Amino acid sequence: GESVGLHLPTLSVQEGDNSIINCAYSNSASDYFIWYKQESGKGPQFIIDIRSNMDKRQGQRVTVLLNKTVKHLSLQIAATQPGDSAVYFCAETRTGTASKLTFGTGTRLQVTL
Amino acid sequence: GAGVSQTPSNKVTEKGKYVELRCDPISGHTALYWYRQSLGQGPEFLIYFQGTGAADDSGLPNDRFFAVRPEGSVSTLKIQRTERGDSAVYLCASSRQVTDTQYFGPGTRLTVL
Repeated sequence: GESVGLHLPTLSVQEGDNSIINCAYSNSASDYFIWYKQESGKGPQFIIDIRSNMDKRQGQRVTVLLNKTVKHLSLQIAATQPGDSAVYFCAETRTGTASKLTFGTGTRLQVTL
Repeated sequence: GAGVSQTPSNKVTEKGKYVELRCDPISGHTALYWYRQSLGQGPEFLIYFQGTGAADDSGLPNDRFFAVRPEGSVSTLKIQRTERGDSAVYLCASSRQVTDTQYFGPGTRLTVL
């Protein structure tokens, strides 16, 4: 079935470096994408979203890029901090439907000092 | 303001027992969602409510699972005759409208012995 997946299960970066987390999606009808951060024992926390009429969106220290041609999105975290250590999920949905999110399996980001 | 809250945070039960999991959405949010997350996986959609009615229950695994939202606010997920395979973290999310960002609660960790 349609799914959202991630290329790398674990990413280790040094504090202060930039992080890039990738995600591939297979449902070409998806038009809304969200990145969530999940720390151990907590629920997913919204980071940033992007709709399919955009290819880039920036937040505070985070940028999401969407490439609809190859069905790929990425999350870039600038100046990665220890508090960024968590599992990151991309999720997709199609507006106008039930808005249920389809999540990938996640990428664990480890920030080393 | 207050986020989504879920109770209990942990629930241990025996195979065959009945359990209820509660979700208090963010005040004013009309849409409410239940997801289930197994260890090392992304959340999987179960059911969502628009107001009091279940608008999409396609993710419920079988008829042992049922959810209600009688007054359009608090929701209860009910699981009958629990099985060991039901062990997971049950997450609740709410959004202002069905097309808006979903905000998650901390989850209830269910363990079926």
